[in-house]
Amino acid sequence: GESVGLHLPTLSVQEGDNSIINCAYSNSASDYFIWYKQESGKGPQFIIDIRSNMDKRQGQRVTVLLNKTVKHLSLQIAATQPGDSAVYFCAEKRYSTLTFGKGTMLLVSP
Amino acid sequence: DTGVSQDPRHKITKRGQNVTFRCDPISEHNRLYWYRQTLGQGPEFLTYFQNEAQLEKSRLLSDRFSAERPKGSFSTLEIQRTEQGDSAMYLCASSLDPKGAEKLFFGSGTQLSVL
Repeated sequence: GESVGLHLPTLSVQEGDNSIINCAYSNSASDYFIWYKQESGKGPQFIIDIRSNMDKRQGQRVTVLLNKTVKHLSLQIAATQPGDSAVYFCAEKRYSTLTFGKGTMLLVSP
Repeated sequence: DTGVSQDPRHKITKRGQNVTFRCDPISEHNRLYWYRQTLGQGPEFLTYFQNEAQLEKSRLLSDRFSAERPKGSFSTLEIQRTEQGDSAMYLCASSLDPKGAEKLFFGSGTQLSVL
C-alpha cells in the first residue's frame, strides 16, 4: 500500500476480503511475538501471540505466521470488517520488555 | 474498555514546567508498565513495576523522568523541566501473569503537548 501523511504503511481492503499485514523483526532471541491493534484515540489492544518455537497459530478470524529463517511475522485477518480498521503493531518480547515495530494502518472499505 | 485508567487525557504545558500523570491499573494486576508513543511510531518502553518495586528502566529514559508505584496499586509518572521533545502520548499498561507472551492491557494514554 501507499504511505499516508504519517508515513505509516497502509493496506486498503474491501469488506469481506482477507488481509495480510507483514512485519520484519530484528531480534532472533525474542521469546514471543505479539500483534496489537490500536484504534484512534485508544491504547493498543492485544490480538494474538506466538511463541518463538512455533510457526503458526490461529485465533478467531486471525492467524499469525512466523518465519524465523527470514525474521518475518505476518497477521492474516479473514473476512475483514470495517471494525478492523486500525493501526496494527507487531511486538517482540524478550524478558519483560516489549519492543514494538512501526505499525501498519489497515483501512477497510464497506 | 480495558479497565486501565489514565489521568489526565490531555495535558498542555510550557517548556520548563513539571508535569505528573496518573495510572490506575486493573485491580488484580501486579505488573504495571509505562510506554511513550509519538505520532506514527510504535510504543516505546520506559519502565515497569512488579507490585511496588521498579524493576527496569529504559536506558533511554532521561533522569528528568521518575515513576512511582507506592502501594503497588496506582502509579505516577513525573517529568521535570519539560522539553518540547517530551511531547508524546504516555501509555500505561498492566498485566496479571508475566509468563508467556504476557498480555498487556493498555489505557487510553495521556497526550502531552509541551509548548
